Amino acid sequence: DVKVTQSSRYLVKRTGEKVFLECVQDMDHENMFWYRQDPGLGLRLIYFSYDVKMKEKGDIPEGYSVSREKKERFSLILESASTNQTSMYLCASSFSGKYNEQFFGPGTRLTVL
Amino acid sequence: LAKTTQPISMDSYEGQEVNITCSHNNIATNDYITWYQQFPSQGPRFIIQGYKTKVTNEVASLFIPADRKSSTLSLPRVSLSDTAVYYCLVGGDTNAGKSTFGDGTTLTVKP
Repeated sequence: DVKVTQSSRYLVKRTGEKVFLECVQDMDHENMFWYRQDPGLGLRLIYFSYDVKMKEKGDIPEGYSVSREKKERFSLILESASTNQTSMYLCASSFSGKYNEQFFGPGTRLTVL
Repeated sequence: LAKTTQPISMDSYEGQEVNITCSHNNIATNDYITWYQQFPSQGPRFIIQGYKTKVTNEVASLFIPADRKSSTLSLPRVSLSDTAVYYCLVGGDTNAGKSTFGDGTTLTVKP
């Protein structure tokens, strides 16, 4: 069974803090993704990585950065958290050549106070 | 960039067939159409994927007309446990990072 795990299910941070969200997959997938999900807005892609140290911006990269130093791990970084980044964050992974067959983690609900 | 449009919500009763349509007028030649199911407090789960015509698996069927500007997810004989949000995703490896999820359709199955 493919497993995508995220470091926290719930996280509460203060405005201005640096926040790290970690994602690990155990299926040797080349592609990894970070999405945020907000009521009425569906899933929006923040960043996508197709290989170690490679990344591409998604629809809403502003205010976020990512790091992929190892194939199995993809980190989302909020350099200075703001209240409008309060959201559900979902990580996913897929094989190269099977971009659309994404396996999702359980999500991290981040609240920025 | 293929923007997708889905109905916001649908209601059904147990045992009925449910069809959820996704519009994607700007779909690119190499794009695939994929559907996901999401329960509360969980990440989306892959259901089915297709490129054209019809695809069927043990869970659902996917109908894609010749012009590929829309697709229909068909769930046969739904049960209460099929109550979830259903998303379509249009894209593929050739425009990686540009795939677009729809806003999702909340399906409520009633007894």
